[in-house]
Amino acid sequence: DAGVIQSPRHEVTEMGQEVTLRCKPISGHDYLFWYRQTMMRGLELLIYFNNNVPIDDSGMPEDRFSAKMPNASFSTLKIQPSEPRDSAVYFCASSLRATDEAFFGQGTRLTVV
Amino acid sequence: TQLLEQSPQFLSIQEGENLTVYCNSSSVFSSLQWYRQEPGEGPVLLVTVVTGGEVKKLKRLTFQFGDARKDSSLHITAAQPGDTGLYLCAGEGNSNYQLIWGAGTKLIIKP
Repeated sequence: DAGVIQSPRHEVTEMGQEVTLRCKPISGHDYLFWYRQTMMRGLELLIYFNNNVPIDDSGMPEDRFSAKMPNASFSTLKIQPSEPRDSAVYFCASSLRATDEAFFGQGTRLTVV
Repeated sequence: TQLLEQSPQFLSIQEGENLTVYCNSSSVFSSLQWYRQEPGEGPVLLVTVVTGGEVKKLKRLTFQFGDARKDSSLHITAAQPGDTGLYLCAGEGNSNYQLIWGAGTKLIIKP
């Protein structure tokens, strides 16, 4: 397996625009996590899915953020409208069980100007 | 709410020196994982400790889980520039639903 695949690797967008981040988890992993990492706040869990169903979205900062997992091999994180304070590295991770080893993608570095 | 505190936040030392970084909590964890994150990459698991008092070695890295399973340490012997990175600990807490992450220790090893 190629591991967790995220796209794009880098995204620069203007304030107010819609941003969609994509993730393909490792095949067979039942859990998918979206994290945000900043210098100030470290690694924050935004939302996670079990068998494509959102389980806990309490980390999603605002209604501007939404995430979907239409099938076992694909998930999206959308920010609409984007703001400069959303600038961060967004990671997708997958695992067999909720607290097993988390396999991370390479992340998407988002810059909102 | 269970928290994991890592110290120091930042450490810069010369190649060949020894160092220890810590991951502490007031709560008990079922297990604890250590990850290393290199610039531009996602975190990668180094080791998982499960039993109180457990010691695991990975080449020059020694990981220890506290007897009470509330804390853990990572000791690096004769640090190399390749050890540079962000070291994160993550614990399986009471909820069993998600990992709880520390803020990390940023380690720089100068040649």
